[in-house]
Amino acid sequence: QPVLTQPPSASASLGASVTLTCTLSSGYSNYKVDWYQQRPGKGPRFVMRVGTGGIVGSKGDGIPDRFSVLGSGLNRYLTIKNIQEEDESDYHCGADHGSGSNFVVVFGGGTKLTVL
Amino acid sequence: EVQLVESGGGLVQPGRSLRLSCAASGFTFDDYAMHWVRQAPGKGLEWVSGISWNSGSIGYADSVKGRFTISRDNAKNSLYLQMNSLRAEDTALYYCAKDQGETVAGDFDYWGQGTLVTVSS
Repeated sequence: QPVLTQPPSASASLGASVTLTCTLSSGYSNYKVDWYQQRPGKGPRFVMRVGTGGIVGSKGDGIPDRFSVLGSGLNRYLTIKNIQEEDESDYHCGADHGSGSNFVVVFGGGTKLTVL
Repeated sequence: EVQLVESGGGLVQPGRSLRLSCAASGFTFDDYAMHWVRQAPGKGLEWVSGISWNSGSIGYADSVKGRFTISRDNAKNSLYLQMNSLRAEDTALYYCAKDQGETVAGDFDYWGQGTLVTVSS
C-alpha cells in the first residue's frame, strides 16, 4: 500500500498563495489522492480529489474557487490563492488501496497551515 | 443537509468493550458505503474500517482487525462500531464518514463531529 508524505507545517500571508504537497511513495504514481481541510476543533471536510490529470470529480460543498489541485509524478498539490483567515487549518491527504476485505485507506501526517 | 452524528464514546478501561453509533440523515443512507476514521489527540487521521451499502464488503485496518466489528442497519439509517479488547492506543476521536459511492472507495465527502474514546485505567 502507498505511503503519503506531507510537510508538517506551512505558512502564508493573508491574500497570498500557498501550495501544499502530498507525495506518494514510489510505485504509486497513478494513484488519486483526496484532500481534506480540518479547521481547529472541527471534523474534516472534503476539498477535492486529484490525479495526474488534475481534479477528479467535483469539489466538496462550499469549497471556493480559490482552491485548486494539480498532480505530477508522485506529487499531488493543493493550491490556495488569496488566502483568507478561515483557511487556517490542518490539511490532510488520503488514498485508497485494494478492494474487498483487503481494502485500506492511508493518510498523510497532515500539514498545519498558518495564516500570517 | 447531510448530517452524521456519532455517539457512544467515553472512558473505558483497557480490555473492555464499547459500541459506537452514527446516526445519518439528509441522504439515502443505503445508497452509500460508510466508514469509521479516528484521530488520536494531536495526531493525524487513521482509517479504521469501511462497509459497503449492503454490508457485502467490509475492510479493517490491521491495527483493529480481530478486535473491532463494523455493521450497519439501513432501516435505522445507522452505522456502528463494536470495539472489543480496547487498548490505550485506541484512544482517539472517532469520526463517521460517508463514502461517495455504494462500494468502499475511500473518498469521504461528509464527516461527523466525532465521539471521543479514552482507554485508561
